[in-house]
Amino acid sequence: EAGVAQSPRYKIIEKRQSVAFWCNPISGHATLYWYQQILGQGPKLLIQFQNNGVVDDSQLPKDRFSAERLKGVDSTLKIQPAKLEDSAVYLCASSLLRAGQETQYFGPGTRLLVL
Amino acid sequence: SQQGEEDPQALSIQEGENATMNCSYKTSINNLQWYRQNSGRGLVHLILIRSNEREKHSGRLRVTLDTSKKSSSLLITASRAADTASYFCATASYSGAGSYQLTFGKGTKLSVIP
Repeated sequence: EAGVAQSPRYKIIEKRQSVAFWCNPISGHATLYWYQQILGQGPKLLIQFQNNGVVDDSQLPKDRFSAERLKGVDSTLKIQPAKLEDSAVYLCASSLLRAGQETQYFGPGTRLLVL
Repeated sequence: SQQGEEDPQALSIQEGENATMNCSYKTSINNLQWYRQNSGRGLVHLILIRSNEREKHSGRLRVTLDTSKKSSSLLITASRAADTASYFCATASYSGAGSYQLTFGKGTKLSVIP
C-alpha cells in the first residue's frame, strides 16, 4: 500500500513570498490533516478535512494560510505572504477515522526555510 | 498548544538496555498514541492505548496509561541502535462536529549507543 505522498520535500523562499505544498493521502482515507512542526517541538495541527469539507481549522492562521481539498483526495496548503516564523516542517497525514481505526499515517513532510 | 509533556527531553543508553519515556497530559482523552520520528523523516505510529485500557504490548514496546494521574509511559526493551529517534506522545480527543484532534508533546530524543 502506498503511503502519504508530499511534495516538494524542501523549499527555500524569501519572506513575503508565497509557497504551496501538495499532499496525496493513502487511497480510501477520508480524513486528511496538515500539521506544522517547528524545530524542537511536536507537530501542531493546522487543519483537518473530512472528504472535501473542513472539520477543524481553529489553529490555522487564516490571514496568511489557506488550504483546500478538492474532490476529497489531494490537498494543497498555501502560505501567502510567508514570514520568518513559518520556517518549519509541514506534515500531511491521513486516516480512515472510524472506530478502531484512529491511527494517522504521516507523509515525509516538506521542510520550509524562510529567509 | 501542546497537551502532552514528555520526560525526559533526552535519553542516552547503551544497546541492549531498556528505555523508559514518560508523558503527562492535562485534559480528558479518548486515547493516547506514541509515535517515532527518525531524523529528517515523517512520524511513524507505534502504539495506541484507549482511555479504558491500562497496559498494552507490541513487540518490544510496552505502554501503560494511568488516567487518574493523566500520565503514560513507553518502555522499549532490549534497545537497538535503530531505535535512535525522537518519540512523541499524542493525546486524542473528539471535539464537536466530528473534529478528532491529536495533540503532540515536544518529544523525547532517544540515543542508543552501539
